[in-house]
Formats: sequence, structure tokens, C-alpha cells
Amino acid sequence: AQSVTQPDIHITVSEGASLELRCNYSYGATPYLFWYVQSPGQGLQLLLKYFSGDTLVQGIKGFEAEFKRSQSSFNLRKPSVHWSDAAEYFCAVGANNTDKLIFGTGTRLQVFP
Amino acid sequence: NAGVTQTPKFRILKIGQSMTLQCTQDMNHNYMYWYRQDPGMGLKLIYYSVGAGITDKGEVPNGYNVSRSTTEDFPLRLELAAPSQTSVYFCASSHAGGGIYEQYFGPGTRLTVT
Repeated sequence: AQSVTQPDIHITVSEGASLELRCNYSYGATPYLFWYVQSPGQGLQLLLKYFSGDTLVQGIKGFEAEFKRSQSSFNLRKPSVHWSDAAEYFCAVGANNTDKLIFGTGTRLQVFP
Repeated sequence: NAGVTQTPKFRILKIGQSMTLQCTQDMNHNYMYWYRQDPGMGLKLIYYSVGAGITDKGEVPNGYNVSRSTTEDFPLRLELAAPSQTSVYFCASSHAGGGIYEQYFGPGTRLTVT
């Protein structure tokens, strides 16, 4: 069965520190991978997506993610976190043979000044 | 463009009442989705539609109904509200298959059933 796992429920970092949010997936078909961000009281916004090609993808707000097929992972990174990055982050997986995305349970990021 | 709009933003229902959550998109997207979000559970798909007149069940459809008479609108109907339906509801749309295309989300409706 298809699934997405975000092992970290809550992460706290200091402003200016680096960040890595983990995402592991299980999917039979070639995966299409997404990271979404949800600011408090808001809907979800796409940060970045991976379909094929270069396994390191760049997104908005200075985020990047690396697809590692051998590890079934798609971790999200940012070299220096800003206070405004405090939000909930969702990893999602889809495929070209489905109309639906499967979302992980999310990681809540807290940023201390 | 307004994108995806949802009304109301907040609603409190009594057990057994019914209501309709409205969703409208102005991007001419064919695909539309309804999700519910519960703390620590991520997003669960309730219903989706691949075009006007076509709807299908998602992961958690029980207690809900949908219709899609136009490209723009995709209302979600709750019949006989139950406390288990207390949640935040998000509507989303995408240009084509939501498995590979970006989904655009509305701001959500926070529903409490007491």
C-alpha cells in the first residue's frame, strides 16, 4: 500500500540554524513527490516538487529537497531558517496513474529567536 | 485571481444538524478535492471530482456528500452532523490529475459539532 511517513512530529530550531525535515515514502509506481507548507490558519502552499531528472530540486523561500530512490526518501532542507518559516510542513506522493495525493502526517516547525 | 475560496470560515453545528460547505475556484481547473485535517493525522481525502458531473469517493467519505454541477463549484454536504466530523476542511483544485499536478488549496473551514 502506498504511504508517506514523516517521522518527526515536532522540530524546534534556532533562527539561522540549518533545517532538515524527513520524508519517506512507499509507492509502487514512479513517485511524484511534493512538499507543502501550511502557515497557521492558512491553507497549504506548494514549496517544491520532484517529477524526474535532477534529484536535487529547488523551491520557494530558499527550500530545497533531495530525492534518494535507494532510501525512498525526499527530505526537505534549508541552510538558514528564518522566524517566518515556523509552520507545518507536509510531504505528499502521487503518480501519473492516480488522481490523488497521499499526504504525510506533517511536521510542525518551531523557530526560536 | 481569487484562487480557491471557501465559505464559511468557521461554523458550530449541533449534533444532527446539516450544512453545506461551499468551495469555488476561478482557475478553470477540472479537478477538485475535499480534505479534512485532524491534529496529527495529516490530510484525509473525502471526495474528489475530475470534472463537472463526475465525483468519486476518497478515503473517508462516510457522512458526506458532494455534487459538481459546474467547473467552478464543488460543495460538500454534511448530513446529520456528528462530533467525529469536528475538523478543519480544505478544498483544493488542480489543472489535471492531482497525482502529478500542483493542488491549490483554499483557506479552510473550521467546523465544530457539539
